[in-house]
Amino acid sequence: EVQLVESGGGLVKPGGSLRLSCAASGFTFSGYRMNWVRQAPGKGLEWVSSIKSDSSDIYYADSVKGRFTVSRDNAKNSLFLQMNSLRDEDTAVYYCARARFSRPCLDVWGHGTTVTVSS
Amino acid sequence: DIQMTQSPSSVSASVGDRVTITCRASQAISTWLAWYQQKPGRAPKLLIYAASNLQSGVPSRFSGSGSGADFTLTISGLQPEDFATYYCQQANTFPLTFGGGTKVEI
Repeated sequence: EVQLVESGGGLVKPGGSLRLSCAASGFTFSGYRMNWVRQAPGKGLEWVSSIKSDSSDIYYADSVKGRFTVSRDNAKNSLFLQMNSLRDEDTAVYYCARARFSRPCLDVWGHGTTVTVSS
Repeated sequence: DIQMTQSPSSVSASVGDRVTITCRASQAISTWLAWYQQKPGRAPKLLIYAASNLQSGVPSRFSGSGSGADFTLTISGLQPEDFATYYCQQANTFPLTFGGGTKVEI
């Protein structure tokens, strides 16, 4: 079964850091671009970051650029999001999602992990 | 960045109705558009990719059309399990961007 499972969310104070992980199974992880998408409480979907299959190509939303770093370990079928200098507005459910095609739609999603930034 | 505008933001409908949701891009994106369905507390689910291609396992009552900047998602014969929020997403360029969502309510 194709599956993505996120972990690492929690409560953190403004200015703090958190590292999210996404474990992939049931498909050849190293062959796919991967993404992080977030959803603030009661709000819509916001794309956060994307990393190509071999890590050679990385993109970030302006709202997180310079604070978040995406990485992956193809040997361990894992995707990561290092989040530094967290702000209240980073509070959201964070999803990892597999990209299909070079012009990516997101065909497989994890269940999400909740990040709450609050003092 | 490409802005995606969905309308309406919400629609009230009944089982069996035909529902149409529109999505407009701020610039032409060819057919690089996807549609997702999201139910409360759940992850989004891909319905349509490349504007009109049905994702495997998605019922045929869902259809997508359009190209350039204007797109539509149609649900023909609304079923109880279709009450959810629907999002469009442009896949033409990074940053990927989503529409604001359309809530389909009873």
